[in-house]
Amino acid sequence: SAVISQKPSRDICQRGTSLTIQCQVDSQVTMMFWYRQQPGQSLTLIATANQGSEATYESGFVIDKFPISRPNLTFSTLTVSNMSPEDSSIYLCSVGQGNGGLFFGSGTQLSVL
Amino acid sequence: GQQVMQIPQYQHVQEGEDFTTYCNSSTTLSNIQWYKQRPGGHPVFLIQLVKSGEVKKQKRLTFQFGEAKKNSSLHITATQTTDVGTYFCAVDTGGFKTIFGAGTRLFVKA
Repeated sequence: SAVISQKPSRDICQRGTSLTIQCQVDSQVTMMFWYRQQPGQSLTLIATANQGSEATYESGFVIDKFPISRPNLTFSTLTVSNMSPEDSSIYLCSVGQGNGGLFFGSGTQLSVL
Repeated sequence: GQQVMQIPQYQHVQEGEDFTTYCNSSTTLSNIQWYKQRPGGHPVFLIQLVKSGEVKKQKRLTFQFGEAKKNSSLHITATQTTDVGTYFCAVDTGGFKTIFGAGTRLFVKA
């Protein structure tokens, strides 16, 4: 099983600023996934991050708002840009398991004032 | 794209009572996954079902995949306070994209 370290665990940010979330995996993985979980809601896939290529964004999410980096097979970052209160959510990175299913990082709880 | 509908949205039970959450799709699913998210925690993978009519057990948890592969259920026998949390079904839609149901939040009263 993969161990995923995600940071920061939480942050309170001002409107209009940006926050970069880091995700470190203890093994090499081809794909990393970024999810958003709005308060009391389910998980929504933001994008899939592949090493060496541009991330693939889901409908409703754009690169300018959520730029993603994937410099190597164990690390990825998600930036939430020009934040507004509507961006207040939990952001989760995840990787696939060999037997199906996903491992998740512990999440970043973001509050935007 | 594929969607899964999950019911109920939440359920309150007395400790010792059983609990079931259901996941339904209008299309045939290639697989169904179940996750548990404790309050304040992150989702934890429980199981994946891929075969028609499949039934798997994990201690007090029983997972079923329908014969038509359009529905699934998670049943907990004799709930305990440690079962509190939100249970999500999810589908790997192919292309390594996993879509989650709305979740069922379980409250257990001691």
